[in-house]
Amino acid sequence: DAGVIQSPRHEVTEMGQEVTLRCKPISGHDYLFWYRQTMMRGLELLIYFNNNVPIDDSGMPEDRFSAKMPNASFSTLKIQPSEPRDSAVYFCASSPATGAKAKNIQYFGAGTRLSVL
Amino acid sequence: GENVEQHPSTLSVQEGDSAVIKCTYSDSASNYFPWYKQELGKGPQLIIDIRSNVGEKKDQRIAVTLNKTAKHFSLHITETQPEDSAVYFCAATLNSGYSTLTFGKGTMLLVSP
Repeated sequence: DAGVIQSPRHEVTEMGQEVTLRCKPISGHDYLFWYRQTMMRGLELLIYFNNNVPIDDSGMPEDRFSAKMPNASFSTLKIQPSEPRDSAVYFCASSPATGAKAKNIQYFGAGTRLSVL
Repeated sequence: GENVEQHPSTLSVQEGDSAVIKCTYSDSASNYFPWYKQELGKGPQLIIDIRSNVGEKKDQRIAVTLNKTAKHFSLHITETQPEDSAVYFCAATLNSGYSTLTFGKGTMLLVSP
């Protein structure tokens, strides 16, 4: 398996523009996570899905952020409108649900570095 | 909810020395403690984990210890090499049903040749 695939790797946009980040989880994994990483706050969990259903979105900073998972192999994180303080690295991770030792292990993508000017 | 504190935030060692990173957690119910390594430009990758039924686990040059009474766990890297330079994250969670990981803020380890 190629692992968790995120696109784009880098995104530079202007304040007020819509940004869409994409993620393809590892095939067969039932859980998908979106994280934001900054120097000040470290790794923050934004939202996670189980079997394509959002389970906990309490980490989503505000209504400008939304996430979808239309099928088991694709998820998006959208920011509309974007602001300079959204600049960060956004990671997607996936995890299997079964197996006493396998569950809870999260496999991260390479991340998307977002810069909002 | 769970809170994980990690120290130090940065650590510089000479090649061949040992490195120790320490974490404390707040929720006594947590029983799964993984460590992730993040290299420059990459996502975090699991390097070792420990569950609460053991006090220590080793994998070649890395080891993790867990003290459930004190609610702290540590990562030990022996004979450090330049390729060990990275950011290391500890995490904690309850391994029952499904719970999300709570990560520490990370430790930047620099190993100088």
